[in-house]
Amino acid sequence: NAGVTQTPKFRILKIGQSMTLQCTQDMNHNYMYWYRQDPGMGLKLIYYSVGAGITDKGEVPNGYNVSRSTTEDFPLRLELAAPSQTSVYFCASTSGMRGGNYGYTFGSGTRLTVV
Amino acid sequence: QKEVEQNSGPLSVPEGAIASLNCTYSDRGSQSFFWYRQYSGKSPELIMFIYSNGDKEDGRFTAQLNKASQYVSLLIRDSQPSDSATYLCAGTPNTNAGKSTFGDGTTLTVKP
Repeated sequence: NAGVTQTPKFRILKIGQSMTLQCTQDMNHNYMYWYRQDPGMGLKLIYYSVGAGITDKGEVPNGYNVSRSTTEDFPLRLELAAPSQTSVYFCASTSGMRGGNYGYTFGSGTRLTVV
Repeated sequence: QKEVEQNSGPLSVPEGAIASLNCTYSDRGSQSFFWYRQYSGKSPELIMFIYSNGDKEDGRFTAQLNKASQYVSLLIRDSQPSDSATYLCAGTPNTNAGKSTFGDGTTLTVKP
């Protein structure tokens, strides 16, 4: 019963490099989200998806991209990394049953540093 | 004004006391509210959710919602040192793809 799995756990990128943060859930949840958390702050929504093939921007989408080809997977792509993208990234999911949110299950997070 | 605001803290209580964490929200379209606990260096975990006015109890935790005052709170009874963590309040409109807006969190320390 893995829940939400994120990889990698840690990564250091150089300015201008690109990478993909992986997120997989095995709970058959329709709704998936990417948030970032800066030190001492709450979570800010980057992108979200309500089902395979459907994605949309959140509050802070610039510099990121996503895809959702299957129910299970929701990777986050960082293009041309910048120091402002240094943060902890969390993937989360919820069932979306009857269009509702019954609380998120979070992955363990990816701590990204851009130097 | 932030959509979800929490007491900045930090909050310190002695072991066995009641810890009270508060949250206000500005979006009247928010229908469901959540409390998450986040230990340092870990991911948030869901403690409670509430969507009806009034109180909801689960063990030592009680969530309270007052939609007229746009106020949500979490009470932790018989606080334990293991309750020391950051508590995140989140609000969600029911018709908005389940997107939650989070407060910045309140850090609670329970002293033995």
